[in-house]
Amino acid sequence: SAVISQKPSRDICQRGTSLTIQCQVDSQVTMMFWYRQQPGQSLTLIATANQGSEATYESGFVIDKFPISRPNLTFSTLTVSNMSPEDSSIYLCSALFGDYGYTFGSGTRLTVV
Amino acid sequence: ELKVEQNPLFLSMQEGKNYTIYCNYSTTSDRLYWYRQDPGKSLESLFVLLSNGAVKQEGRLMASLDTKARLSTLHITAAVHDLSATYFCAVGLTGTYKYIFGTGTRLKVLA
Repeated sequence: SAVISQKPSRDICQRGTSLTIQCQVDSQVTMMFWYRQQPGQSLTLIATANQGSEATYESGFVIDKFPISRPNLTFSTLTVSNMSPEDSSIYLCSALFGDYGYTFGSGTRLTVV
Repeated sequence: ELKVEQNPLFLSMQEGKNYTIYCNYSTTSDRLYWYRQDPGKSLESLFVLLSNGAVKQEGRLMASLDTKARLSTLHITAAVHDLSATYFCAVGLTGTYKYIFGTGTRLKVLA
């Protein structure tokens, strides 16, 4: 099955700063997804990232706060901008691989202090 | 708006016992997934269910899908401690590539 490498695995950041999370897929995929998982909660979709077009954001998430890049079919980044403690979460990228379903990256545990 | 509910939210069970986790969803869907998440880890894909009546089994876990009832079940047979984890179902939005996660079921198997 496909592998998604995500980094950093964790970070502690000062409020007001930004963090960029990277995901690298070992094969080409059309669509990638970014999720947020707050402590003890389920996963919430932030946005869908297609190569060559603007990301599509879900209700409650905006591009200024969570800019996404998708420069090619194997790579995507999510930036968490102007961070506050409420942004402390696990951020996960995922990609769809045919009938195998969705594979997830290892996650980034973000703590904002 | 698609809503996905799982029950129970928490489950503590003895080794060797059987139990079923339920995943109910509110609108039509054409695919459903089950995932496992260990503490501090990412999600591991368990089952992909793509049609009404689909049943898949792997070891002590068996998943089924009833699209007419909008219900999927994850059945645990003769539980062992290693099955302790949080289990999520995720339901695909028909006509899109998006999927909505259930609330999760935190399973603890007691020795």
